[in-house]
Amino acid sequence: GIQVEQSPPDLILQEGANSTLRCNFSDSVNNLQWFHQNPWGQLINLFYIPSGTKQNGRLSATTVATERYSLLYISSSQTTDSGVYFCAVEGVRDDKIIFGKGTRLHILP
Amino acid sequence: GAGVSQTPSNKVTEKGKYVELRCDPISGHTALYWYRQSLGQGPEFLIYFQGTGAADDSGLPNDRFFAVRPEGSVSTLKIQRTERGDSAVYLCASSLASGGGQETQYFGPGTRLLVL
Repeated sequence: GIQVEQSPPDLILQEGANSTLRCNFSDSVNNLQWFHQNPWGQLINLFYIPSGTKQNGRLSATTVATERYSLLYISSSQTTDSGVYFCAVEGVRDDKIIFGKGTRLHILP
Repeated sequence: GAGVSQTPSNKVTEKGKYVELRCDPISGHTALYWYRQSLGQGPEFLIYFQGTGAADDSGLPNDRFFAVRPEGSVSTLKIQRTERGDSAVYLCASSLASGGGQETQYFGPGTRLLVL
């Protein structure tokens, strides 16, 4: 099945810093989503982005489907951005949604 | 309600017992997904429903796990003869559809299952 790798696994930043999170996938995808899991375990959808670029406030994402990667950008980080960021993909060969192992982000005040 | 709800929020059971976990998706969402998340890991796909039918159940780990969605809305995940290794957070998600750009998934808060 499709493989999803996220990097870095852990990231510690000062409040106000910018960050880039990466998601690589091993096969063509029908869809790709970025999620934020807060410290209480709730998963929130950030972007549905199988290709192209989207922006929502301080967050933006770009997926280059032909090169099989997606990037999530967080600008002017706030402590509430802390948590785990997951990339999830649906490969073209089946209906499963496969999650990466996540990037654990900790923003220091 | 406005979001996906799951009950119970926590479940403690003994090894060998039977448990049922319930998911109420967002009204009108035809696609429903079950996942299992262990500590420090990403959610692991279990089963996906499109309407009443299981479109893909290849993620169910063995025949002790079964899920139903008889009326195309509420779903129940059933685990027989529970084992300690079944302890995890069980997450449910729903989406408006499974194609045409409507696949954005909305997750419930999860059921934390502990098998003693």
